Amino acid sequence: GQNIDQPTEMTATEGAIVQINCTYQTSGFNGLFWYQQHAGEAPTFLSYNVLDGLEEKGRFSSFLSRSKGYSYLLLKELQMKDSASYLCAVVDSNYQLIWGAGTKLIIKP
Amino acid sequence: GAVVSQHPSRVICKSGTSVKIECRSLDFQATTMFWYRQFPKQSLMLMATSNEGSKATYEQGVEKDKFLINHASLTLSTLTVTSAHPEDSSFYICSAPGAGDYNEQFFGPGTRLTVL
Repeated sequence: GQNIDQPTEMTATEGAIVQINCTYQTSGFNGLFWYQQHAGEAPTFLSYNVLDGLEEKGRFSSFLSRSKGYSYLLLKELQMKDSASYLCAVVDSNYQLIWGAGTKLIIKP
Repeated sequence: GAVVSQHPSRVICKSGTSVKIECRSLDFQATTMFWYRQFPKQSLMLMATSNEGSKATYEQGVEKDKFLINHASLTLSTLTVTSAHPEDSSFYICSAPGAGDYNEQFFGPGTRLTVL
């Protein structure tokens, strides 16, 4: 079967750095997305990785290792508004999006 | 950028009634749209893929006669929850692949359905 694992919840301090991990086992791989979802709202696109390595975009970076079936989202200089759920999603061989359950990130002052 | 709207944003209805949810791509055309359902503290669950001009493709376990999908134009897809029951109460979200660099999904703001 297809499976994506993320921690259920993480807590971090304002101004700090946090890394949210995602491991996946899917039938094929055609890219990995990270989305941010605030409570009661729709997800918004953060990043996309299809090749191994680190993609940096402002305070957010995303890393991919295809051989390990592993990705992480790195958030720097955390702000209170970063409190949200972070969803990892993999595009499989049929170009279907397989969603992880999401990681709820709680930022404390 | 690509904008997707949904209407209504929130609806409360009595058990047994039908509810229609509209999903529109405002500044791009979408031959395909996706309908998701999300229960509290759970991830997105794909219900069906809406295809313009043809029948929708439903995921396993989703009743096509209960969740009617119509994709009549390149900018509009509708989801009708027929004979709604309290267990259908959920957050329904649509999305469409826009003209982004990565073919990423653009999501509508979601519809909160509460069935009494």
